[in-house]
Amino acid sequence: DAGVIQSPRHEVTEMGQEVTLRCKPISGHDYLFWYRQTMMRGLELLIYFNNNVPIDDSGMPEDRFSAKMPNASFSTLKIQPSEPRDSAVYFCASRDGFSGNTIYFGEGSWLTVV
Amino acid sequence: KQEVTQIPAALSVPEGENLVLNCSFTDSAIYNLQWFRQDPGKGLTSLLLIQSSQREQTSGRLNASLDKSSGRSTLYIAASQPGDSATYLCAVDYGNNRLAFGKGNQVVVIP
Repeated sequence: DAGVIQSPRHEVTEMGQEVTLRCKPISGHDYLFWYRQTMMRGLELLIYFNNNVPIDDSGMPEDRFSAKMPNASFSTLKIQPSEPRDSAVYFCASRDGFSGNTIYFGEGSWLTVV
Repeated sequence: KQEVTQIPAALSVPEGENLVLNCSFTDSAIYNLQWFRQDPGKGLTSLLLIQSSQREQTSGRLNASLDKSSGRSTLYIAASQPGDSATYLCAVDYGNNRLAFGKGNQVVVIP
């Protein structure tokens, strides 16, 4: 398997613009996670899905953030409108809930909001 | 609050020395603990996972131990190599799918 695939890898956008980050989990994995990593706060869980259903979105910072998982092979994280403080690396990760607890991370989407 | 601490934030060791990285956590009611490696500009790669019922796990030159009662885990890397230079993160799973991550130990192995 190709692993967890994220796009875009890098994005620079202006404040106020909409940003959409995309993720393709490992085939067969039933859990999908969105994390944000910053120097100040480290890695934080934003939201996770199980079988395409959002289970815990308590980490989503505010209403400007939304996430969807329309099918088992695709998820999006949207920020609208974006602000400079949203600049971070956004990671998608997936896990097979039946065969173990190891979580597999994508290579991240590096977002800069200017 | 379930906090995970990794100290020091950064360290350098000469090639060939054994690396010892420490992780401490405040809540001992863990489900499992994972050690990850992160290279610059890359995602996280899982190195070892220790279930709460286990004391240690080994993979090649890597050995991770777990002491729940004292809220500690240690990652040992034997005979370090320049290729081991990376950031190592500890993550505690409390069984709710919300991994609590430490901020990592940034390691440089000097040739």
